[in-house]
Amino acid sequence: SAVISQKPSRDICQRGTSLTIQCQVDSQVTMMFWYRQQPGQSLTLIATANQGSEATYESGFVIDKFPISRPNLTFSTLTVSNMSPEDSSIYLCSVREVGEAFFGQGTRLTVV
Amino acid sequence: QQQVKQSPQSLIVQKGGISIINCAYENTAFDYFPWYQQFPGKGPALLIAIRPDVSEKKEGRFTISFNKSAKQFSLHIMDSQPGDSATYFCAASEAGNTPLVFGKGTRLSVIA
Repeated sequence: SAVISQKPSRDICQRGTSLTIQCQVDSQVTMMFWYRQQPGQSLTLIATANQGSEATYESGFVIDKFPISRPNLTFSTLTVSNMSPEDSSIYLCSVREVGEAFFGQGTRLTVV
Repeated sequence: QQQVKQSPQSLIVQKGGISIINCAYENTAFDYFPWYQQFPGKGPALLIAIRPDVSEKKEGRFTISFNKSAKQFSLHIMDSQPGDSATYFCAASEAGNTPLVFGKGTRLSVIA
């Protein structure tokens, strides 16, 4: 199974600042997916990141707020910009490998 | 519109009993049906998954039952243990390198 490393694992940030989350996979993958899990809630897809092209965002998520980079087949970043307390969530990256879907441990973000 | 409906929201089971969680879906293009286990502060871990060409899949104490005509699938945890206490999510996706759609989750408590 794919091994996915996310950094940081958690952070406490001031409102109005930005945080960049890194996701590293131990194998080359075409697509990487970013999800948000608000407190006590399920996972919601933010965007799909394909290497070499712009990320595709789901309804309710915009590039200015959640810019994504995908410089190669094993790495991606998600930035949470101009943060507010409502952005306090767990952010997770995910990949598909041999048809299965795997997740990193997530980044627990608290905005104060 | 919620594409995957999961029930119950919470479940309390005696140690040694059977835990049953149900999910229903609408999209007939869904081709992959995984279950995830999530402990507090951790990312979701793939537990077991099934594809629509089989009606049942068993891995240890965990079994998925799949009913294609009813568009339903369920997770059975046999001989439930306190260590199984976690939140369980069902999910579904279409074929290929596509993202998952998640149910709202079930919080399972196994009591001695």
